[in-house]
Amino acid sequence: DQQVKQNSPSLSVQEGRISILNCDYTNSMFDYFLWYKKYPAEGPTFLISISSIKDKNEDGRFTVFLNKSAKHLSLHIVPSQPGDSAVYFCAASDVRSARQLTFGSGTQLTVLP
Amino acid sequence: EAGVVQSPRYKIIEKKQPVAFWCNPISGHNTLYWYRQNLGQGPELLIRYENEEAVDDSQLPKDRFSAERLKGVDSTLKIQPAELGDSAVYLCASSAGQGWEKLFFGSGTQLSVL
Repeated sequence: DQQVKQNSPSLSVQEGRISILNCDYTNSMFDYFLWYKKYPAEGPTFLISISSIKDKNEDGRFTVFLNKSAKHLSLHIVPSQPGDSAVYFCAASDVRSARQLTFGSGTQLTVLP
Repeated sequence: EAGVVQSPRYKIIEKKQPVAFWCNPISGHNTLYWYRQNLGQGPELLIRYENEEAVDDSQLPKDRFSAERLKGVDSTLKIQPAELGDSAVYLCASSAGQGWEKLFFGSGTQLSVL
């Protein structure tokens, strides 16, 4: 049973436009959410996170939104750049699991020049 | 500062053969993780170490997988014997103290079992 779901395996966006990556979760005990980015032949790298006490967190071009009632979070990238082309993983954790991260299956973002 | 170093980058073996992966975490990071990433899926935790102690190995298939982290630094993950379904990328990650959410991953070892 997937507790963290990324239903879009891929997304293509024009350079300069907004990229919106979505993630849904089922475990109501999750209280911390993260996004990791992965380039080919490299390991994932931490991008941005959000605690469940917030509904938005911003870091430069990246903003994560959390809708707890819908158990949904999204990552917005504005403006999108070709260098943003990568696989984006959503992850979640809760204190009961000793903060073990549960990852989604990832979304391949392609930013077209 | 050097990142998490893993070797080998690629490994091709026949089923029933043993295989081992090595990881050197970022200096000073006391927490080390081994993840497995199957094709088209996200990483899944196999084992987590706090210094030299395995504090979470509930998802490690102990009949064929073993891991060690001697002296709380480098770590080795072993599979013996390997099965076809073990083909995956094996990722090592480390984190520092309270920075549990910010994992630093190595480039991984791509294992192919034929």
